[in-house]
Amino acid sequence: AQTVTQSQPEMSVQEAETVTLSCTYDTSESDYYLFWYKQPPSRQMILVIRQEAYKQQNATENRFSVNFQKAAKSFSLKISDSQLGDAAMYFCALGTWTSGSRLTFGEGTQLTVNP
Amino acid sequence: KAGVTQTPRYLIKTRGQQVTLSCSPISGHRSVSWYQQTPGQGLQFLFEYFSETQRNKGNFPGRFSGRQFSNSRSEMNVSTLELGDSALYLCASSLTGLAQETQYFGPGTRLLVL
Repeated sequence: AQTVTQSQPEMSVQEAETVTLSCTYDTSESDYYLFWYKQPPSRQMILVIRQEAYKQQNATENRFSVNFQKAAKSFSLKISDSQLGDAAMYFCALGTWTSGSRLTFGEGTQLTVNP
Repeated sequence: KAGVTQTPRYLIKTRGQQVTLSCSPISGHRSVSWYQQTPGQGLQFLFEYFSETQRNKGNFPGRFSGRQFSNSRSEMNVSTLELGDSALYLCASSLTGLAQETQYFGPGTRLLVL
């Protein structure tokens, strides 16, 4: 079975500053994928960034980057130059080859961006 | 391309009733997955349909069922509604449902059971 844990229920950051959201996971499979999804108040989940476990290089998408520590089973999200529009619930999710489209989600971290 | 659409957006039902929710995936996507989101349990996987067949199933009672049509549109049905079924129901589509594919989520259907 897979598990995903987000230990920070809430985080806040000042506009233009950097914030890091934590995520740890557990799986016995070697072929898996990690995702960060953003859910704004409108409720529509949007993919922020993804990481393939077999890739050592950390994924980057504009202001969003991850720190993927495979041995520690850690997958943190760094948001640089935070903007008011980044305020949302952020979910870490795990998918494995055997689970297909079935994602296991963490509890979520509510990010507040202060002007 | 149009995104994933879900109808209706909001529903109010009473205990014992049944409800049907609809999900239209992105054009060309053949895999549709359903999730239940509640404050207490978070996001939980219900089931996945691919080519009109249920391919994957979560740990929900048989009151929760679904189907997929030849155009990949999917419906989810909940019978004998309970208060605990109040939740946001999200569907997500992807090309073929492989783990490495990005899943695109719809805006959700908010179900309130009274």
